[in-house]
Amino acid sequence: EPEVTQTPSHQVTQMGQEVILRCVPISNHLYFYWYRQILGQKVEFLVSFYNNEISEKSEIFDDQFSVERPDGSNFTLKIRSTKLEDSAMYFCASGASGITDTQYFGPGTRLTVL
Amino acid sequence: GQSLEQPSEVTAVEGAIVQINCTYQTSGFYGLSWYQQHDGGAPTFLSYNALDGLEETGRFSSFLSRSDSYGYLLLQELQMKDSASYFCAVRGNTPLVFGKGTRLSVIA
Repeated sequence: EPEVTQTPSHQVTQMGQEVILRCVPISNHLYFYWYRQILGQKVEFLVSFYNNEISEKSEIFDDQFSVERPDGSNFTLKIRSTKLEDSAMYFCASGASGITDTQYFGPGTRLTVL
Repeated sequence: GQSLEQPSEVTAVEGAIVQINCTYQTSGFYGLSWYQQHDGGAPTFLSYNALDGLEETGRFSSFLSRSDSYGYLLLQELQMKDSASYFCAVRGNTPLVFGKGTRLSVIA
């Protein structure tokens, strides 16, 4: 069964550093998403991406964040100048339809900012 | 804005049936989804309701009443492995918004 993969599983970085989180969505999906989940809290939407551009983004997704689909398979989230409060689990998800929102989540990257 | 309400915790006995309710407020509505998340794991899609009524998938069923802005997830023949957090999520005029989750504990 196809699945979403994410690397690395755990990223530790110093405050102020840049990190890139990587995702490989399910191959025939067209809609891609990033979410974050601070420990013990609910999942929060960051951004959606369709047709090589951002389709929606939340208030959390400020100028510190950017997404890219550098090739036909990878989908990346870049966080510039990380802050302590960026520490969270970051999930990538993909879906075949943007409306029905049957989204398939990757295993997540745990980001720890020291 | 959008908001969802669901109980924070539910405990049920192995083999029993449990219902997890979700009420929502949203501007625009496309559908209500349910996700399961085990500790340390990723959310896993369970069901999606766009229209009123009951959707059944094996031991899990999900119900939606659009007029009441209400839905529920029904888990039958509970197993220990069903112990997890269950999130309802609504799609309105903004992207998917998750509830805070219901932690289900299945006891012997």
